[in-house]
Amino acid sequence: GQNIDQPTEMTATEGAIVQINCTYQTSGFNGLFWYQQHAGEAPTFLSYNVLDGLEEKGRFSSFLSRSKGYSYLLLKELQMKDSASYLCAPIDSNYQLIWGAGTKLIIKP
Amino acid sequence: GAVVSQHPSRVICKSGTSVKIECRSLDFQATTMFWYRQFPKKSLMLMATSNEGSKATYEQGVEKDKFLINHASLTLSTLTVTSAHPEDSSFYICSARLGTSDYEQYFGPGTRLTVT
Repeated sequence: GQNIDQPTEMTATEGAIVQINCTYQTSGFNGLFWYQQHAGEAPTFLSYNVLDGLEEKGRFSSFLSRSKGYSYLLLKELQMKDSASYLCAPIDSNYQLIWGAGTKLIIKP
Repeated sequence: GAVVSQHPSRVICKSGTSVKIECRSLDFQATTMFWYRQFPKKSLMLMATSNEGSKATYEQGVEKDKFLINHASLTLSTLTVTSAHPEDSSFYICSARLGTSDYEQYFGPGTRLTVT
């Protein structure tokens, strides 16, 4: 079957760094997305990885290891507005995004 | 670019009535649109995938006759919740994909449906 595993909730301090891990099992693999979703709002795109390695985009970076079925999202210089859920979504062999429940990130002052 | 709108953003209806939700890609043509529902603190649940001019493909467990999807053009898809009941109350989100080689989904802002 297809499965996404992310921590349910994480807490971090404003200004700090946090890493959100994601392990996945999918039938086929065509890349992986990270989305951010604030409460009551739709998801917004953060990053896309299709090859192994680190993709850096400002304060956010995303890493992928296809052989390990593993990805992480790294958030630096945390701001209060980063409090949201972060969704790891790999793409399966049918080019469908597979959604997990996401990780709720709580930022404290 | 790649903006998707949804209308209405919130709707309250009485049990037994039907509600139509519109999803539009404003600045691009979407070959494929997706409809999701999301319960509080739960993951996005894909309801159906629709391609312009063809019938929607529904996920297992989603009633076709209850959730009518029409993808009339490359910029518009509609979801009609027929004979709505309180258990249909949820957050409905549409997304659109540019083409078969672009896997990113651009999400609409969502529609909060409350059935009383």
